[in-house]
Amino acid sequence: KNQVEQSPQSLIILEGKNCTLQCNYTVSPFSNLRWYKQDTGRGPVSLTIMTFSENTKSNGRYTATLDADTKQSSLHITASQLSDSASYICVVSPASGGSYIPTFGRGTSLIVHP
Amino acid sequence: SQTIHQWPATLVQPVGSPLSLECTVEGTSNPNLYWYRQAAGRGLQLLFYSVGIGQISSEVPQNLSASRPQDRQFILSSKKLLLSDSGFYLCAWRLPGGAGKLFFGSGTQLSVL
Repeated sequence: KNQVEQSPQSLIILEGKNCTLQCNYTVSPFSNLRWYKQDTGRGPVSLTIMTFSENTKSNGRYTATLDADTKQSSLHITASQLSDSASYICVVSPASGGSYIPTFGRGTSLIVHP
Repeated sequence: SQTIHQWPATLVQPVGSPLSLECTVEGTSNPNLYWYRQAAGRGLQLLFYSVGIGQISSEVPQNLSASRPQDRQFILSSKKLLLSDSGFYLCAWRLPGGAGKLFFGSGTQLSVL
């Protein structure tokens, strides 16, 4: 069964600090892994995409890593800002199967305090 | 450019009343369409997806149904709402034939009282 597990479930940090969110998956065959940011009461928005051959990808202060061998990904946020407070969702898409239904993690709730 | 519209933004309905949530996509053809539900503090649960007009796949058997009467229109319905139907409903689309990015609507917060 395809599964995506995220940790921690929630995280509180001070503004300006760094943090790292984790994602482990069992989706196979693997196509890609995306990190989404979901602000409260809004729809998720894609931050990064990682394919099988990519190890690291950055998008501003967000850096995602992927280890396809161990099926783990991380999202590192540098110099956090108050606007980073949101839920971060790891989503893994399979490489085959009709409409390519992605598997969602439950998300990590990040709160950045001033 | 493509846009997705979802309405209403909030809805308060009594138990046993009907439901109709609508989602439309502009700027693309033959998109894959999805309905998700998110309970408070929980992850997204896929309810229905559609790869074409009239083609609906249900992921979770429950009190809801979906229809796709037009290529870029996706409707979520219920004949009689239950308390457990409360939640945040999200419509999403992506290009067909691959594992592309999902584009989400702004969501509908449904409270069943």
